[in-house]
Amino acid sequence: SAVISQKPSRDICQRGTSLTIQCQVDSQVTMMFWYRQQPGQSLTLIATANQGSEATYESGFVIDKFPISRPNLTFSTLTVSNMSPEDSSIYLCSAGSPDTQYFGPGTRLTVL
Amino acid sequence: AQTVTQSQPEMSVQEAETVTLSCTYDTSENNYYLFWYKQPPSRQMILVIRQEAYKQQNATENRFSVNFQKAAKSFSLKISDSQLGDTAMYFCAFMKHRNQGAQKLVFGQGTRLTINP
Repeated sequence: SAVISQKPSRDICQRGTSLTIQCQVDSQVTMMFWYRQQPGQSLTLIATANQGSEATYESGFVIDKFPISRPNLTFSTLTVSNMSPEDSSIYLCSAGSPDTQYFGPGTRLTVL
Repeated sequence: AQTVTQSQPEMSVQEAETVTLSCTYDTSENNYYLFWYKQPPSRQMILVIRQEAYKQQNATENRFSVNFQKAAKSFSLKISDSQLGDTAMYFCAFMKHRNQGAQKLVFGQGTRLTINP
């Protein structure tokens, strides 16, 4: 199984600022994903982080708001830009193989 | 597009009892995986059990087992001898199978399970 770490584990940010979340996997993986979990809700996919090319965003999510980098097969970052209180959520990265998927511990973001 | 439905927002049982969580899904894919994830208050998503669609045999992991009915597109989770540590949100999830790597997960709405002492 893959071990996935995320930094920071939590943060409290001011409206209008940006936060970058880091995700590190302990082995090389083809696919990495970023999900958002709003309070009391299920997980929604933000985008697929593609190594060496632009991320693939789901409907309702745009690159200007959620820029993603994937410089290699073990690391990715998600930036939440120009934050508003509606961005307060848990952000989770995941990675895996064709037959399974594991998650990082999540980043709890609160925007004031 | 795939959809996953969990019709039980909350469930509550006594410790040591058996509980079954329901999940139905819709897909036109023939080869896919189904998962149950557990999310305790720590918010960590923990993989509980996995089922491959092309396997008829139901998956089992210790006290956790599934009832996979492919024709009915049903995938329920049974927890036997429930323990206080089983208290958590449980999410059912669907993933297509592609040889090139993991695919995105589609999640149900979740079931909040409480085990009472």
